[in-house]
Amino acid sequence: EAGVTQFPSHSVIEKGQTVTLRCDPISGHDNLYWYRRVMGKEIKFLLHFVKESKQDESGMPNNRFLAERTGGTYSTLKVQPAELEDSGVYFCASSHAGEQYFGPGTRLTVT
Amino acid sequence: DQQVKQNSPSLSVQEGRISILNCDYTNSMFDYFLWYKKYPAEGPTFLISISSIKDKNEDGRFTVFLNKSAKHLSLHIVPSQPGDSAVYFCAASEVSSNAGNNRKLIWGLGTSLAVNP
Repeated sequence: EAGVTQFPSHSVIEKGQTVTLRCDPISGHDNLYWYRRVMGKEIKFLLHFVKESKQDESGMPNNRFLAERTGGTYSTLKVQPAELEDSGVYFCASSHAGEQYFGPGTRLTVT
Repeated sequence: DQQVKQNSPSLSVQEGRISILNCDYTNSMFDYFLWYKKYPAEGPTFLISISSIKDKNEDGRFTVFLNKSAKHLSLHIVPSQPGDSAVYFCAASEVSSNAGNNRKLIWGLGTSLAVNP
């Protein structure tokens, strides 16, 4: 069974540019989560989808971040425009009803 | 303000001995606790969990103990093996009554475990 996949693995962009991260959850998992780890800090929750609906987006930093999950399959997280403080590793996780399975993350560097 | 604290950034043990990783939390509403293991350039991998109605859960070489009154949990690995060398994260969650089955995880900073041959 394929695990959670994320694309790209690394992204380096300039401040003010736009970046879109993609997450493909494990097939059949209705729950999809986005987390972010900024260097030196703990992993922090961003938002949670159940199928295509946003259940909880309380962790989204601001309106420069937009997450979508059209059709309830893969999800995208767009940052527009990117700022320096957006740099970090963005993790996606999916679950059926129990433990969350994580992807390898996307390392975003904003210069 | 961190709700889940792992006060030891690193731990070094000899192969075959016991590794004890500690975690403290402040939110009394947490009802489920998990340990994840992470290798470099990979995502966290689920290791073991415990519900707040229990005080111990065991899975092979891994045992998690929960002391609710002290708001403290620990992960014991025995015997420790070199392949256990990784960063271990403690995480906690509470059922969010207004968001269905949302189980967003609140994380500690992690403890880097080195098991020396």
